[in-house]
Amino acid sequence: KNQVEQSPQSLIILEGKNCTLQCNYTVSPFSNLRWYKQDTGRGPVSLTIMTFSENTKSNGRYTATLDADTKQSSLHITASQLSDSASYICVVSAGTGTASKLTFGTGTRLQVTL
Amino acid sequence: DVKVTQSSRYLVKRTGEKVFLECVQDMDHENMFWYRQDPGLGLRLIYFSYDVKMKEKGDIPEGYSVSREKKERFSLILESASTNQTSMYLCASSFLTGLAGVVGELFFGEGSRLTVL
Repeated sequence: KNQVEQSPQSLIILEGKNCTLQCNYTVSPFSNLRWYKQDTGRGPVSLTIMTFSENTKSNGRYTATLDADTKQSSLHITASQLSDSASYICVVSAGTGTASKLTFGTGTRLQVTL
Repeated sequence: DVKVTQSSRYLVKRTGEKVFLECVQDMDHENMFWYRQDPGLGLRLIYFSYDVKMKEKGDIPEGYSVSREKKERFSLILESASTNQTSMYLCASSFLTGLAGVVGELFFGEGSRLTVL
């Protein structure tokens, strides 16, 4: 069964600090891995998509890494801001075409405080 | 700006009522999806469609049906709402990209929070 596990479940950090969120997956056959940001009461918004051959991808202060051998990904947030407070969801895609399937993690809830 | 629009942000319905949730995208995407999101469970796929009049069951289709009569519109129908269908419903759309037909970047609507009393 395809699974995506995220840690920690929740995290509180001070504004300006860095943090790293983890995602472990058991998905086959792997196609790509995505990170989404979801503000409270809103729909998720894509941050990055990484394929098997990519091990790092950045989007502003967000940097995602992928280790396909250990089936782990991380999302690093640099110099956090209050607006980074949100849930961050890891999603892994398996297969291709109409059989392609996305497996969602349950998310890490990040709170950035003053 | 790309846009996925869900017809209602908040709905309150009674048990047994028929409920329609509508979703419209303006990006000419082939794929459209309906998910529900519950605390601690993540997003779960209800139904998806990869073409007009085509539909495929997701992981939790029981109690739901869908309609895709036009490429830009994907409707979720609860034939007889029950209290366990109280949830946040998210619509998404994407291209089917590349030769391998991998699901492209998902664009989500703002969500419809349904409460069934």
